[in-house]
Amino acid sequence: AQSVTQPDIHITVSEGASLELRCNYSYGATPYLFWYVQSPGQGLQLLLKYFSGDTLVQGIKGFEAEFKRSQSSFNLRKPSVHWSDAAEYFCALANDYKLSFGAGTTVTVRA
Amino acid sequence: DGGITQSPKYLFRKEGQNVTLSCEQNLNHDAMYWYRQDPGQGLRLIYYSQIVNDFQKGDIAEGYSVSREKKESFPLTVTSAQKNPTAFYLCASSPMASRGETQYFGPGTRLLVL
Repeated sequence: AQSVTQPDIHITVSEGASLELRCNYSYGATPYLFWYVQSPGQGLQLLLKYFSGDTLVQGIKGFEAEFKRSQSSFNLRKPSVHWSDAAEYFCALANDYKLSFGAGTTVTVRA
Repeated sequence: DGGITQSPKYLFRKEGQNVTLSCEQNLNHDAMYWYRQDPGQGLRLIYYSQIVNDFQKGDIAEGYSVSREKKESFPLTVTSAQKNPTAFYLCASSPMASRGETQYFGPGTRLLVL
């Protein structure tokens, strides 16, 4: 069965520190993977997506993600976090034309 | 400005009442989706529509109904059969119903039960 797991429910990071959010997937073929961000009480905004090709994907707001087939992972990273990065982050897998979402990781940024 | 609008921002439902959530898009997208978001559970698909006058059930369609009479509109009705409707509801659209198409999300409607 296709599924997405985000192992970390909540991460706290200091402003200026690096951030890595984990995402593991289960899918029989080449996955199409997405990272979305949601500010409190808002809709979701696409950060980046992976379909094929280069396994390191660049996104908006200084985020990048690396696809590792051997580990069934698609982890999101940012070298230096800003206070505005405090939000909830969702990893998603395209299953046909539907998206299956992970449970999300909430990021808190401390000054 | 192109985008997706959802109204109302907050909606209150009484016992036994049907309520309708509005979703409108001016992106000229063929496909539209409704998701339900509960804390700690991510987003779950309620219904989706690939084209006007066609829609399919998602993973949690029981207690909900939809219509797609116009390309730009995809309203969701939460019926009295939905016993636990309190949640954040998100509408999305994509250019086509094709694997890998980016879905664009509206700002959401929070439904609360009185």
